[in-house]
Formats: sequence, C-alpha cells, structure tokens
Amino acid sequence: GNSVTQMEGPVTLSEEAFLTINCTYTATGYPSLFWYVQYPGEGLQLLLKATKADDKGSNKGFEATYRKETTSFHLEKGSVQVSDSAVYFCALSDAGFQKLVFGTGTRLLVSP
Amino acid sequence: GAGVSQSPSNKVTEKGKDVELRCDPISGHTALYWYRQSLGQGLEFLIYFQGNSAPDKSGLPSDRFSAERTGGSVSTLTIQRTQQEDSAVYLCASSLPGNTEAFFGQGTRLTVV
Repeated sequence: GNSVTQMEGPVTLSEEAFLTINCTYTATGYPSLFWYVQYPGEGLQLLLKATKADDKGSNKGFEATYRKETTSFHLEKGSVQVSDSAVYFCALSDAGFQKLVFGTGTRLLVSP
Repeated sequence: GAGVSQSPSNKVTEKGKDVELRCDPISGHTALYWYRQSLGQGLEFLIYFQGNSAPDKSGLPSDRFSAERTGGSVSTLTIQRTQQEDSAVYLCASSLPGNTEAFFGQGTRLTVV
C-alpha cells in the first residue's frame, strides 16, 4: 500500500541555518504530495503541495519538489527562523483523494 | 463555519466507558476524515466520508470504533468500552469534493484512565 517515510527528529538548528527534511514515498499511480505543519498548541495546517511530477510547491520560504524518479518530496528552507519551530508532516493522497497517508512527523527546533 | 470544529477539546474517561467525539466540518465540504495521533506515532487514518456514506472504513482499529455522519455535515466518532490504548488525539478534517487540500480541526485529546 501507499506509505510515507520521513527523517526522524528532532532537527535542531540555529536561526538562519539551511533546513532540509527528507521525505520519500511509496505509491501506486500518481499521488499528490503535501507538507503539513503543526505549530505548538495549534492544529495541522497545509504548508505546501505538489500534484504532479516536477511541480514545486512553495510557501513562507519553504519549498519542495515532486521527484518521481527518486520518489521524494524533500522540504527545504534557506534560512530558518525561531518561529518555524514546529512538527512537519509529509503526506500523500491517492488519485481519488480518498485519504491522506502521513509520515511520522519531524520536529524542528530553531534556537536564536 | 470558519473552520473545522471539534468537541470536546479534552475528554478524560474511565476504562470501559463509551465516548462520543464530534466534528463539525466547514460548510459545503462534502468530504470528512477522522485521524488518530498517538504519542510518538504518526497520523493514523481511521475513516473517510463522502456525504453521508463511508467508502473507506479500513482504518478503524476494532469493532469498538464506529462513526456516522448525518445531513452531510456533522460527524460523530464513537468508541465503545474504551481501553487505555485508545488514549490519543483524534483529529477531524474536511475538504471540498475533488479538492486536494484538507482542513483540520484542533482535535479532541482523549485520555482513558
């Protein structure tokens, strides 16, 4: 079945450092790919998405590119801020979008 | 409504009791999803509704779990004879038909003692 694997955390960075959180997936067909973020004390919210191969999703300085050849959707940001501290979840949905399959989440801690 | 609303936000119950968790989706969202987030675990899919029907119940962990949706709107997740392993945050999400973005509620934190 469909599955998502993402790097374990926590990821600890200093402010202005470069961020990469790895995500790979296993799926039949052509899924859509997502990054969701959960800030402390808040609900899950969509950060960015890509619906087909080579698409790049971007939002709030974060980017991820849908790589079909490597079945990956790595999250990157050039310069993190303390306010980016959160748990990040990679997810995919099947073609019918009947459910989102999530990775286990990666906690990011950014220190000043 | 403005967003997905879940109630209660917190629930403490004794082992063996039944609980009901409620989800009020965004108005007009025909798709509704229930997920469970346990400590140290990822997000586990439970059930999906399209309108009032549930084409995918594959994630319900046991027959103690059931869910219904009425009027294509509010959904209730019921857990019978709760066990300690049911302790988790139960998340509800909704989306427009065919839309790829799901909007999540704040969740219900269930603690079984």
